[in-house]
Amino acid sequence: DGGITQSPKYLFRKEGQNVTLSCEQNLNHDAMYWYRQDPGQGLRLIYYSQIVNDFQKGDIAEGYSVSREKKESFPLTVTSAQKNPTAFYLCASMENRKLFNYGYTFGSGTRLTVV
Amino acid sequence: AQKVTQAQTEISVVEKEDVTLDCVYETRDTTYYLFWYKQPPSGELVFLIRRNSFDEQNEISGRYSWNFQKSTSSFNFTITASQVVDSAVYFCALSEAKRDDKIIFGKGTRLHILP
Repeated sequence: DGGITQSPKYLFRKEGQNVTLSCEQNLNHDAMYWYRQDPGQGLRLIYYSQIVNDFQKGDIAEGYSVSREKKESFPLTVTSAQKNPTAFYLCASMENRKLFNYGYTFGSGTRLTVV
Repeated sequence: AQKVTQAQTEISVVEKEDVTLDCVYETRDTTYYLFWYKQPPSGELVFLIRRNSFDEQNEISGRYSWNFQKSTSSFNFTITASQVVDSAVYFCALSEAKRDDKIIFGKGTRLHILP
């Protein structure tokens, strides 16, 4: 079945460490996105990529980094510069919008906790 | 500027009651898309519906119905004869055709269906 796989489901990080969240899709979607969800805050866009080897900052990119070396993969690194990284992280993908905006397909999320 | 407002933070209703979730949006674009997503306790966002700005026809899908009114910039979601399985967080979202496929989400409405 086609879909988006995020791993791990739960992640614990010590302060000062970088961690990488995985996002893989087999939907052949061009665009991929990372959102952060905090209680009562809705979803906020961190980074997005519309094609391989290209990505743009979203609304809250500080303290995060991404890469898009393959169409299927869009990993997110939460760096030690991110002051409050504890949150639920959602990855999403979408078909090429030039045809129509079909909306996102989401992964099941990674819950990151700093200990 | 684009914005989505879900004024209802949390709603509780007794099973079998009807419930309406409100969504008001702001956009300067004439071409845009509106979405509703459901987030059950598992965390993954599930796509419910998409509407483009040129289609104001209301839609019904089983117990779900959506009322899109451009005159009031609203896209409300009604669940008829609610069930416990409808308990979730519901997000309304907006995407402008000119803004690189980014989808802006409201802060969500947490719906509790009480048995």
